[in-house]
Amino acid sequence: KQEVTQIPAALSVPEGENLVLNCSFTDSAIYNLQWFRQDPGKGLTSLLLIQSSQREQTSGRLNASLDKSSGRSTLYIAASQPGDSATYLCGCQGNTDKLIFGTGTRLQVFP
Amino acid sequence: GAVVSQHPSWVICKSGTSVKIECRSLDFQATTMFWYRQFPKQSLMLMATSNEGSKATYEQGVEKDKFLINHASLTLSTLTVTSAHPEDSSFYICSASVTGVSNQPQHFGDGTRLSIL
Repeated sequence: KQEVTQIPAALSVPEGENLVLNCSFTDSAIYNLQWFRQDPGKGLTSLLLIQSSQREQTSGRLNASLDKSSGRSTLYIAASQPGDSATYLCGCQGNTDKLIFGTGTRLQVFP
Repeated sequence: GAVVSQHPSWVICKSGTSVKIECRSLDFQATTMFWYRQFPKQSLMLMATSNEGSKATYEQGVEKDKFLINHASLTLSTLTVTSAHPEDSSFYICSASVTGVSNQPQHFGDGTRLSIL
């Protein structure tokens, strides 16, 4: 059974810092891994999807990496801004198309 | 891009009421949709996989008679919380991926906040 863990659980940083959010998973037989953003009381916004054959994906100030063999993914946020404040979730998708989510990292970026 | 619409966004009702939540894929067909539940400050937990034209597949610990799922068309799945009680109060979110294309991202609705008094 896939288990997904994210660390840290919460993070509070000043504006401008570069951040690394971590995601680990127990079953390396994944098809892809997605990073999402969730604002309070809202649904999920997909940020990046990394296919199992890929090592990383980039979108603007975001960069996500994937190391299947070690069961890890990282989300790098460059030059953080207050608008980045949200909960970040990683989700692993296996051959059943089900997404198993991590526990989330609550990020607060203060001015 | 692919859009998933979820309705209603907020429901407040009395204990014992049954509540129906709709999930629609607006610009694509989805053979499979997923229903998640999220309690405050917790992650999303998969409840069930909704399959068009067949019975839903429920995760362990989720009562199928309590949470009725109907997926009557390629663009609509519904979740009915039957005889809802305060412990059913939660944030329910659906997702869908494009039919027939493997390894595609899931697209999420905006969620439904259910409050049972």
